[in-house]
Amino acid sequence: DGGITQSPKYLFRKEGQNVTLSCEQNLNHDAMYWYRQDPGQGLRLIYYSQIVNDFQKGDIAEGYSVSREKKESFPLTVTSAQKNPTAFYLCASSIRTGGSYEQYFGPGTRLTVT
Amino acid sequence: GQNIDQPTEMTATEGAIVQINCTYQTSGFNGLFWYQQHAGEAPTFLSYNVLDGLEEKGRFSSFLSRSKGYSYLLLKELQMKDSASYLCAVRDDQTGANNLFFGTGTRLTVIP
Repeated sequence: DGGITQSPKYLFRKEGQNVTLSCEQNLNHDAMYWYRQDPGQGLRLIYYSQIVNDFQKGDIAEGYSVSREKKESFPLTVTSAQKNPTAFYLCASSIRTGGSYEQYFGPGTRLTVT
Repeated sequence: GQNIDQPTEMTATEGAIVQINCTYQTSGFNGLFWYQQHAGEAPTFLSYNVLDGLEEKGRFSSFLSRSKGYSYLLLKELQMKDSASYLCAVRDDQTGANNLFFGTGTRLTVIP
């Protein structure tokens, strides 16, 4: 089956620890994205990548880092510098950016930091 | 910047028709998407509009008026499984990245 996988579904961490969320896709999509979803707010873009070895900051990149060493993979690290890391994190991919290309979303990782 | 508004919650009866509105203000409009999201799950694509008019896809239709900065999603013959959040997202090419900007979503509850 083609799709996007995120693991784990639930993640718990202590404050001050970095944590890496995985995102893998086998759709052969060039573009990948990370969003954060909080109650009462729309999805907000953290980082995106249009091609391998290239990525750009989204609207709320502070306290996060990413890498795109392989087309299939776009891991997100939530660092201790992120002030409010508890959220639902969604990874998405699309054939490429722009146009009518819709984004396909993974099942999400719910991160809780205490 | 971008400003996207949707009602927070709506309730409708099984078998009925419901219209979910979305208004937007954006500098470089380049398309509007509707997604469905069940609680705790991934959003799934419903429709895309870039030109004015109505796009119909089965029980779901989406309308766009670029001059009014307005779109709606129309759901017909409502089913209980249609209870979900509906996200309006606008593509903006102002920065050249063509990223999507999402509204807060409309939580639809379908009652028997």
